[in-house]
Amino acid sequence: GAGVSQTPSNKVTEKGKYVELRCDPISGHTALYWYRQSLGQGPEFLIYFQGTGAADDSGLPNDRFFAVRPEGSVSTLKIQRTERGDSAVYLCASSLTAGTTEAFFGQGTRLTVV
Amino acid sequence: GENVEQHPSTLSVQEGDSAVIKCTYSDSASNYFPWYKQELGKRPQLIIDIRSNVGEKKDQRIAVTLNKTAKHFSLHITETQPEDSAVYFCAVYSGGGADGLTFGKGTHLIIQP
Repeated sequence: GAGVSQTPSNKVTEKGKYVELRCDPISGHTALYWYRQSLGQGPEFLIYFQGTGAADDSGLPNDRFFAVRPEGSVSTLKIQRTERGDSAVYLCASSLTAGTTEAFFGQGTRLTVV
Repeated sequence: GENVEQHPSTLSVQEGDSAVIKCTYSDSASNYFPWYKQELGKRPQLIIDIRSNVGEKKDQRIAVTLNKTAKHFSLHITETQPEDSAVYFCAVYSGGGADGLTFGKGTHLIIQP
């Protein structure tokens, strides 16, 4: 596709449930990032993939959060036992290579835990 | 880890005037400094970036300056227009153990007609 695509655009879930958020990066981009943005804040880094491997997962808040990118393209962010504090916009970004090249963001998934 | 401070949190300027937003960072090894514009409900979009080997970069009405010694960088928008109204985020890439960008908290720029 032309840009980074994220699905769903909105997700409402009950506390304690499991959710999966999907990111389809720009074709050919090897680097993929997940960020979380709370209201009135800047995006907060969660995890970075270079190809299929999670090169840096230091931003994941706890072990309820997990992400995969099995074929080096589409990535899925998985959240177990959701809590109300997980409510935020989850942004995915991709770039041609890691680091000092432009990162293109998706439109985000707004997650609401009720 | 990297710490990024951004000021001001809100900036209101008259249409046609200039706007300046400033950021400081803590990691002297940081080497890439992008600025993103985010309109309400939209994705962040890169408007300009600078790398550590230059001190200034311009793109039409937008410029960024970098002072590596003082560890701060600034966004300058001249001849502001209503469509410049948005939230602007500075970001820093440190590399090394953390390969994502560290963002500032954002500046809500309001252009008064």
